[in-house]
Amino acid sequence: DAGVTQSPTHLIKTRGQQVTLRCSPKSGHDTVSWYQQALGQGPQFIFQYYEEEERQRGNFPDRFSGHQFPNYSSELNVNALLLGDSALYLCASRPGENNPNSYGYTFGSGTRLTVV
Amino acid sequence: DAKTTQPPSMDCAEGRAANLPCNHSTISGNEYVYWYRQIHSQGPQYIIHGLKNNETNEMASLIITEDRKSSTLILPHATLRDTAVYYCIVRVDTGRRALTFGSGTRLQVQP
Repeated sequence: DAGVTQSPTHLIKTRGQQVTLRCSPKSGHDTVSWYQQALGQGPQFIFQYYEEEERQRGNFPDRFSGHQFPNYSSELNVNALLLGDSALYLCASRPGENNPNSYGYTFGSGTRLTVV
Repeated sequence: DAKTTQPPSMDCAEGRAANLPCNHSTISGNEYVYWYRQIHSQGPQYIIHGLKNNETNEMASLIITEDRKSSTLILPHATLRDTAVYYCIVRVDTGRRALTFGSGTRLQVQP
């Protein structure tokens, strides 16, 4: 059973460009969250999607946007990239709240974004 | 979510028990204690969670004090593969609520 799959694994972009990161949740999971992890720090929550809508959002600017598709996969888009956006971007999924095993998030290995 | 305090780093000898402490003195009655770990170059991994009773699973044991103001994650026989950053998170268990990570404890298991 595949876990959470993220693509690409590494990416280099130029300041001012736009980037799209992709996530396929674990089978049976309908909720996808995105986190940003700067070097040496804990992950910071960006936003969460379920039922194809953004449900929660962390303290990130509107340059960060997302989408969830009918198959529960998700994209994270970042516009007007800044050097400070360089980080590991993690996707996490979980089952719906009615699932008896819905207590833990499953994380992917992340996409390492470098902005130059 | 209640704030947590963890030591920034700890060492443990391979084969010995690793005891990772977490202080959460402002925890509310409906908040759970969760532990995740992050091995280098991987995403965080769920370990265990509990409300007030001690919990054990195949990965670890969680000991929560009676006043619930602190807890200890125990890895009974640490191996080199347990070297990771361990995060203690306190949160209301409302399912889809986002996780709030602190800086965690960097556990180094020594051979």
